[in-house]
Amino acid sequence: DTGVSQDPRHKITKRGQNVTFRCDPISEHNRLYWYRQTLGQGPEFLTYFQNEAQLEKSRLLSDRFSAERPKGSFSTLEIQRTEQGDSAMYLCASSLDWGGRLAFFGQGTRLTVV
Amino acid sequence: AQTVTQSQPEMSVQEAETVTLSCTYDTSESDYYLFWYKQPPSRQMILVIRQEAYKQQNATENRFSVNFQKAAKSFSLKISDSQLGDAAMYFCAYSGGGGADGLTFGKGTHLIIQP
Repeated sequence: DTGVSQDPRHKITKRGQNVTFRCDPISEHNRLYWYRQTLGQGPEFLTYFQNEAQLEKSRLLSDRFSAERPKGSFSTLEIQRTEQGDSAMYLCASSLDWGGRLAFFGQGTRLTVV
Repeated sequence: AQTVTQSQPEMSVQEAETVTLSCTYDTSESDYYLFWYKQPPSRQMILVIRQEAYKQQNATENRFSVNFQKAAKSFSLKISDSQLGDAAMYFCAYSGGGGADGLTFGKGTHLIIQP
């Protein structure tokens, strides 16, 4: 296991379409985070899982966004009815709950909504 | 809510020189963690250094060290002997110690290394 893996790396979609991203965390990590990063900004927290439980959601996560981590391993982030404002880099990170918040990031999925 | 402020959008330093990146934060918590992350053009965020708020000793990692001033809520990063590979966006980040909060990031500082 070489790190956090995200798929796809790039996604171009038409406005109004649904998209789904996948994140595979480091295998022994029980915490998984999703962030959104727009150009010129730092990442913004979206949501967090501990094992399969979604414990926290940002107000940034509108009703069009849903995240799952069905077996406490990989996670998916779905955006329904995409809007141009959803264009961003979506980052996934994982950590251990006793790791002093030491989070490891994936390379991200860049979404472009046209 | 916690906030993280990086007041330097861009910094430039000559190769082999020392540069300091500034970060201030606001929180009402007493227990928390602070981080510096590096994001090269490839976009993967890489942890540079971490500081636990309860530790008075400043963290160091090879050429990277921090100046953590808890009372002033300041957390600056010093890079010694700057190398071309240090060129990147640097983000300061905060994580609360009490709960399972995600990281709160600053807007970043673009570090340019002049050869």
